[in-house]
Amino acid sequence: KNEVEQSPQNLTAQEGEFITINCSYSVGISALHWLQQHPGGGIVSLFMLSSGKKKHGRLIATINIQEKHSSLHITASHPRDSAVYICAGAGGTDKLIFGTGTRLQVFP
Amino acid sequence: DSGVTQTPKHLITATGQRVTLRCSPRSGDLSVYWYQQSLDQGLQFLIQYYNGEERAKGNILERFSAQQFPDLHSELNLSSLELGDSALYFCASSPGHFSGNTIYFGEGSWLTVV
Repeated sequence: KNEVEQSPQNLTAQEGEFITINCSYSVGISALHWLQQHPGGGIVSLFMLSSGKKKHGRLIATINIQEKHSSLHITASHPRDSAVYICAGAGGTDKLIFGTGTRLQVFP
Repeated sequence: DSGVTQTPKHLITATGQRVTLRCSPRSGDLSVYWYQQSLDQGLQFLIQYYNGEERAKGNILERFSAQQFPDLHSELNLSSLELGDSALYFCASSPGHFSGNTIYFGEGSWLTVV
């Protein structure tokens, strides 16, 4: 059974801190999506990666295929980064398997 | 703006009723996905259409149905509504049929069943 586990569930940080959110996944998942859900509910796709590392602004996503692990890093965190971050695994089917999400709050 | 349009944004209806949620995918995207997000269940995949054909099915109840039309817009029909159907329903689209593509989400339709 394909599974995605995410940690931590909740995370608080002071503005400027470096943040890491982790995601582990099971056999059969070949690509990982990182999503951001704002308090208003909308979901934004941040990254889709199947190998290596991707960077966009202050966000960095990495994936280690051998260890079946991915991380999302936020450098120089800001209160506007406060959101729920969700990792989702994509496997041989077209279904996405979602982690439970990490609720991040960044305080000024 | 993801390019995926969902209507209505908010909907309040009574138990036993039927509603239709509408989704217009990003221009050129052939795949449309429907997801349900409730407070206690998180995000759940419901169903996917690719170029008019049903391609994958998730935890979609028999009371729910969907279709994708020739112009690629999609509708999710929810019938005999129950209180537990109250949730945020997302539509998403992607260029291809493999979920390894980037997926673009709509803003969601908030459904409240009273």
